[in-house]
Amino acid sequence: SQTIHQWPATLVQPVGSPLSLECTVEGTSNPNLYWYRQAAGRGLQLLFYSVGIGQISSEVPQNLSASRPQDRQFILSSKKLLLSDSGFYLCAWSPSTSQPQHFGDGTRLSIL
Amino acid sequence: KQEVTQIPAALSVPEGENLVLNCSFTDSAIYNLQWFRQDPGKGLTSLLLIQSSQREQTSGRLNASLDKSSGRSTLYIAASQPGDSATYLCAPTGANNLFFGTGTRLTVIP
Repeated sequence: SQTIHQWPATLVQPVGSPLSLECTVEGTSNPNLYWYRQAAGRGLQLLFYSVGIGQISSEVPQNLSASRPQDRQFILSSKKLLLSDSGFYLCAWSPSTSQPQHFGDGTRLSIL
Repeated sequence: KQEVTQIPAALSVPEGENLVLNCSFTDSAIYNLQWFRQDPGKGLTSLLLIQSSQREQTSGRLNASLDKSSGRSTLYIAASQPGDSATYLCAPTGANNLFFGTGTRLTVIP
C-alpha cells in the first residue's frame, strides 16, 4: 500500500533563516505531488504541484520554492523565512488529477 | 477563481443524530469533489470522492451528493458518533488543484 511521510512534524525557526521540508511517498511511481499551506483561520491553499521529476508549477507568488529531485520526493524550501510563512504545511499525492489526493500528517511551522 | 463556502462553520449535535454538512462552490467546471476530515493538528483524511459525472457516493455511514450545475455538495452523516468529531472539508478539484473552504467543525456530544 501507498504511504506518505512528512518531516519534521513541528519546526520553530527565526525570521531570515532557511527552510527545508521534505515529503516522500512509498508504494507508487510517478505520482502527482502537492504542497499546501493552511494559515490560521483560513482554508488550505495550494502552493506547488508536480507531475514529474523536475516539473514544478507554482500557484501563488511567494517566498517559497519547491523541488522534486526524485520521483517520490518533494521538497519545500526557502532561503529566508518571513513571519508570514508561519502555518501548517501539508504534502499530498495522487495517482493522477482525476483520482483522490492523499495527505501527509503535516508540518507546523512557527516563525519567531 | 474557485470560491468554496461551507455552512455551518460549526455544528454541535448529540450522539446518534443524523446531520448534513453543506458545501457550495462558484465554478462548476470541476473534475471531481472530495470530502475530507481533519482532526486538530493533523493532516487530512480522504472520506469520499465524487467524480463530476456522478450524483452521489456512499461509504459506510457517509453519503455525499454532488449537483455540479448548481455548485453544491452535501455530506450526510448517519447515526453520528463522538469519534466523528472533527473538521470536515469539501474540495472541488480543478486541473491540478483542490480548492478548500474553511470547513465545518463538528462536535458530537456523547
